[in-house]
Amino acid sequence: SQKIEQNSEALNIQEGKTATLTCNYTNYSPAYLQWYRQDPGRGPVFLLLIRENEKEKRKERLKVTFDTTLKQSLFHITASQPADSATYLCALDLRGGKLIFGQGTELSVKP
Amino acid sequence: DARVTQTPRHKVTEMGQEVTMRCQPILGHNTVFWYRQTMMQGLELLAYFRNRAPLDDSGMPKDRFSAEMPDATLATLKIQPSEPRDSAVYFCASGLSREGGYTFGSGTRLTVV
Repeated sequence: SQKIEQNSEALNIQEGKTATLTCNYTNYSPAYLQWYRQDPGRGPVFLLLIRENEKEKRKERLKVTFDTTLKQSLFHITASQPADSATYLCALDLRGGKLIFGQGTELSVKP
Repeated sequence: DARVTQTPRHKVTEMGQEVTMRCQPILGHNTVFWYRQTMMQGLELLAYFRNRAPLDDSGMPKDRFSAEMPDATLATLKIQPSEPRDSAVYFCASGLSREGGYTFGSGTRLTVV
């Protein structure tokens, strides 16, 4: 069956550390993989996109890796801050344009 | 900043009533998605459109849900008749190209009693 799995448990880290979130998928062949941030009571906000032929993408303190052999993406936030606390969602952008989301991982950054 | 506008923000209705949710995508965006979000299921794709044409609505219960884009500035999602299990937050998102990601609206929180 087709699945997208993100860390089911909340991730708690100390300010200044690097947060690493995982997105694994089975039986999909995404053309792209996207990451979004969602705060309580709000819609998701687009952060980064990585193509299937890219290994790594960076944007400021964010880094995304994409391994199509392992069917896994890792999302890193370096020098984390309490303002980074939110739920982070990965989304598979399938050929044809369908966009399927994982359940999300809640990140809490403590001062 | 351009935004996706969804109305109403909140809706409480009785079981069996018709519910219509509206979405105004960002001007110029040609792709529109409808999602439903619950704690248990997360974000579920209901339907999506490109250039106003429906591409996939396999995620929608067809007997009660319908999605349309009467014009490029309006997308609608209707539930008739509504049931308590439809209670959720419904999001609309729009975009122009996949490379730029998609912009979500603030959602419609639907409660069916």
